[in-house]
Amino acid sequence: NAGVTQTPKFRVLKTGQSMTLLCAQDMNHEYMYWYRQDPGMGLRLIHYSVGEGTTAKGEVPDGYNVSRLKKQNFLLGLESAAPSQTSVYFCASNSPDRGLSYEQYFGPGTRLTVT
Amino acid sequence: GNSVTQMEGPVTLSEEAFLTINCTYTATGYPSLFWYVQYPGEGLQLLLKATKADDKGSNKGFEATYRKETTSFHLEKGSVQVSDSAVYFCALRLSGGSNYKLTFGKGTLLTVNP
Repeated sequence: NAGVTQTPKFRVLKTGQSMTLLCAQDMNHEYMYWYRQDPGMGLRLIHYSVGEGTTAKGEVPDGYNVSRLKKQNFLLGLESAAPSQTSVYFCASNSPDRGLSYEQYFGPGTRLTVT
Repeated sequence: GNSVTQMEGPVTLSEEAFLTINCTYTATGYPSLFWYVQYPGEGLQLLLKATKADDKGSNKGFEATYRKETTSFHLEKGSVQVSDSAVYFCALRLSGGSNYKLTFGKGTLLTVNP
């Protein structure tokens, strides 16, 4: 049981390049999330998904797109990278539970630098 | 809107010192409250939680009590260890319906020296 995994762990892009970050979970969770973490800003929600084939915007969605073609995978795309997208990206997943706590399980993160 | 405010860091303590990290919240509904911990180079993991007023969450010697009257969820530990060095995030989730998203505070970096 690997939990939540993210690929790649590190990446350096030049301004204008594109890339896709992959998140995979093996816990059969319904919900998946992409966050970015910046110094002094905490975690901010980029996009999220409540099920296969559905996605929605979070707090800071501009410049990103997502897809959830399979329940276990959630992809985050940057079509034209900008230096402002230099950040650490975290994926998380969860499902409704009887305790109503909705604990989120996080991946190890992807450190992206845009030059 | 919903928000979480944590005390500014960084916090530096000596081993066996007492720890308090303050957290207050603003919410339009009745939230569940969480503390997450992020060890160096890792993702976040749930440390403890409380889902209703006066609940006390506890784990690994850490405690936090859900205080509705003061809208607070302060994290405490009686005797910190070097291994507790990490970033701590307070978070809330509104209960009811399909409210499953978390709102995080900005995080507090704790460094414990031997």
